[in-house]
Amino acid sequence: GAVVSQHPSWVICKSGTSVKIECRSLDFQATTMFWYRQFPKQSLMLMATSNEGSKATYEQGVEKDKFLINHASLTLSTLTVTSAHPEDSSFYICSARAPVDTGELFFGEGSRLTVL
Amino acid sequence: SQKIEQNSEALNIQEGKTATLTCNYTNYSPAYLQWYRQDPGRGPVFLLLIRENEKEKRKERLKVTFDTTLKQSLFHITASQPADSATYLCALGGTGGFKTIFGAGTRLFVKA
Repeated sequence: GAVVSQHPSWVICKSGTSVKIECRSLDFQATTMFWYRQFPKQSLMLMATSNEGSKATYEQGVEKDKFLINHASLTLSTLTVTSAHPEDSSFYICSARAPVDTGELFFGEGSRLTVL
Repeated sequence: SQKIEQNSEALNIQEGKTATLTCNYTNYSPAYLQWYRQDPGRGPVFLLLIRENEKEKRKERLKVTFDTTLKQSLFHITASQPADSATYLCALGGTGGFKTIFGAGTRLFVKA
């Protein structure tokens, strides 16, 4: 199956700094990628849809200036958490649709962000 | 609003038994329903997809049923093994740009 790689798998940063998380489709091109946030024992919360070559579409309640998304190529989308605060600490996961849109989603390994 | 309900309580079963997980949904008519496995600290992994016009689907030891009248899906793991211990997520999807929405998942523990 298609492989999606996410990096870093975990990161610790100081409050006020920015953190970038990368999501790569390794063996296929992904015109659309999705970014989620997940709290313990809760479902995946869709934050935004990342579209190659255009602006991301953010879900209601997600601050676009806080969570910057860039999808500059068909294999890479990045999520930057700007001016991070402890409440931004969470598990962030990206996904991409299968090359032939069967509905199946391929997920990255996730990135655990801890803001001190 | 759309809602997906999965049993929040963990399911504990003995190795070799069949595990059955339930997914109920409201205010949605999905074109398909999916099940994913998620291990602690990892991203979900796709297991099975069943379409609205399908009643049942199987893959090795996995079986999924989909009842669009009851708005319910059942996910079965036969001859369960300790390695099957994980959280299983139910997800609903649609065509025409509909987003995939996820349930909170049910934690399964298979004891040896």
